[in-house]
Amino acid sequence: SQTIHQWPATLVQPVGSPLSLECTVEGTSNPNLYWYRQAAGRGLQLLFYSVGIGQISSEVPQNLSASRPQDRQFILSSKKLLLSDSGFYLCAWSWGYEQYFGPGTRLTVT
Amino acid sequence: AQSVTQLDSQVPVFEEAPVELRCNYSSSVSVYLFWYVQYPNQGLQLLLKYLSGSTLVKGINGFEAEFNKSQTSFHLRKPSVHISDTAEYFCAVTRRGAQKLVFGQGTRLTINP
Repeated sequence: SQTIHQWPATLVQPVGSPLSLECTVEGTSNPNLYWYRQAAGRGLQLLFYSVGIGQISSEVPQNLSASRPQDRQFILSSKKLLLSDSGFYLCAWSWGYEQYFGPGTRLTVT
Repeated sequence: AQSVTQLDSQVPVFEEAPVELRCNYSSSVSVYLFWYVQYPNQGLQLLLKYLSGSTLVKGINGFEAEFNKSQTSFHLRKPSVHISDTAEYFCAVTRRGAQKLVFGQGTRLTINP
């Protein structure tokens, strides 16, 4: 069966510091991968998605970036965090039309 | 472009009462529809999906949804809710060949004893 991991689970970072969130999927190959953000009390915002290694589509221009160095690894990064980057970050994978979500990372920028 | 409207941002119901969470979509082509549940501080879990076939779809935890093409709706129902159903519920839509889901803004279901 397929499993999706995200780490860390929680993170508190000061404004201006770098960010690296990692997502890995087990039990499948060549999945589509997605990064979403949920601000407090709000819906899902798609940030990036990838249909293959090195292929990244950006949905929202901002100070975040994504990379897919391996087939089942998806990384979300920032060089300098802003207060507005706080939120709940979710990674998801799909092989058909439905998506399957990881447990999320709670990021607080102080 | 596709869009999804969840008509109620919050729905309070009493335990063991029936519930309906409403979802309407707009699309000019055939669609695939989904309902997800999110418990506090967790990721989203797929409740059920409509891809084709029977318009009445049964999912996990006793939930079901009915695809109504003429009404462009995909409402979620449960005949008797439990305290454990307290969560945020998201409706989502996509179309053939699309790589992304379009999500509604979510409905917060609160079950009162």
